[in-house]
Amino acid sequence: AQSVAQPEDQVNVAEGNPLTVKCTYSVSGNPYLFWYVQYPNRGLQFLLKYITGDNLVKGSYGFEAEFNKSQTSFHLKKPSALVSDSALYFCAVRDMRDSSYKLIFGSGTRLLVRP
Amino acid sequence: GAGVSQTPSNKVTEKGKYVELRCDPISGHTALYWYRQSLGQGPEFLIYFQGTGAADDSGLPNDRFFAVRPEGSVSTLKIQRTERGDSAVYLCASSLGTGRLPYEQYFGPGTRLTVT
Repeated sequence: AQSVAQPEDQVNVAEGNPLTVKCTYSVSGNPYLFWYVQYPNRGLQFLLKYITGDNLVKGSYGFEAEFNKSQTSFHLKKPSALVSDSALYFCAVRDMRDSSYKLIFGSGTRLLVRP
Repeated sequence: GAGVSQTPSNKVTEKGKYVELRCDPISGHTALYWYRQSLGQGPEFLIYFQGTGAADDSGLPNDRFFAVRPEGSVSTLKIQRTERGDSAVYLCASSLGTGRLPYEQYFGPGTRLTVT
């Protein structure tokens, strides 16, 4: 069965400091991996995805994520956090071998960037 | 361009009533998905359509839930005999299609359903 774990309910970081939001996954085959962000009273917004190739993926708003197959992880990173990055972040996975195209989401991590 | 829209944005209903939730996908997107998000949780898959047909409905919790997409565009999620446990935000998403490569899904703002 596919699953995603986001071990931190909340991450606190000071503006200007680097941030990391952790994600680990479990799939039978190889994964497609995604990060989405959710602002209050708004829908989920796509940030970035890993399909294949380079393990470092760059996305919107200066975010990037690193795929690590041996650790089954796909941590979200940003070199310098902004207060406006404060939001709820979701990691999601789809198994390449799954004939269904559904995404399996983690429970989310709240990022709080303090001024 | 216009994103995914969902109506109503909020729906309050009494236990036992029937509700319909509507989703308008992005024009040209052939794949449409419904998810449910409970408080403090990530979205949970319900059903997805490729064109007019439900390609995977394995996430529907029981037979009170049903969804249609008769013309391959707008979709309606229907819930019969609502229960308090159905209270959640219902999210709709669409994508360009389904193939070997995973097109990203674009989400609507959701419908917040409250069953009293």
